Amino acid sequence: DTGVSQDPRHKITKRGQNVTFRCDPISEHNRLYWYRQTLGQGPEFLTYFQNEAQLEKSRLLSDRFSAERPKGSFSTLEIQRTEQGDSAMYLCASSLRGGGADEQFFGPGTRLTVL
Amino acid sequence: KQEVTQIPAALSVPEGENLVLNCSFTDSAIYNLQWFRQDPGKGLTSLLLIQSSQREQTSGRLNASLDKSSGRSTLYIAASQPGDSATYLCAAGTSGTYKYIFGTGTRLKVLA
Repeated sequence: DTGVSQDPRHKITKRGQNVTFRCDPISEHNRLYWYRQTLGQGPEFLTYFQNEAQLEKSRLLSDRFSAERPKGSFSTLEIQRTEQGDSAMYLCASSLRGGGADEQFFGPGTRLTVL
Repeated sequence: KQEVTQIPAALSVPEGENLVLNCSFTDSAIYNLQWFRQDPGKGLTSLLLIQSSQREQTSGRLNASLDKSSGRSTLYIAASQPGDSATYLCAAGTSGTYKYIFGTGTRLKVLA
């Protein structure tokens, strides 16, 4: 499968626990994005990487959130001290700079439920 | 600040009908406009991408148009089928940032 993959697909955790999600982009894509989507809403931007550099972060990304892309390939999104309001679908997308006008391709998402 | 609106929020049509989904944006300085399909509980599937220099794109029964001056894009679906039932999202990529701003989507139901 050459698409964007995300792991895990579902995560249930208790309030106050830490969680980490992984995203593997399409192999040649140098741009990687994280979005969050709550029920009935469109995705909201969280952060963006070009290669290993994190170039843009949303104000939605509080101090409890951290994202990394250490080798410019896969990325991780960690949420510390989870809150019930963090329950959402976390979506990852990738694109190729200079190819297809930055068409973004999305993964299947990780659904987080905080009890 | 870019804002994206989609109308209608929900739509129910009989099979075979042609339909138009609307997307409007407030900042015309976009570099592209992308349409997606989302099935319940799933990720987003890219349908069509229109670059800022283009006016329309076509794929099969789908046609998307872009009018930057009026801040509008439309997605035309011909001869709708029950399998087209999903939420359709549009997203605007605005110059100066790489993030997409999404609308809240149109929930489409095609009745057999």
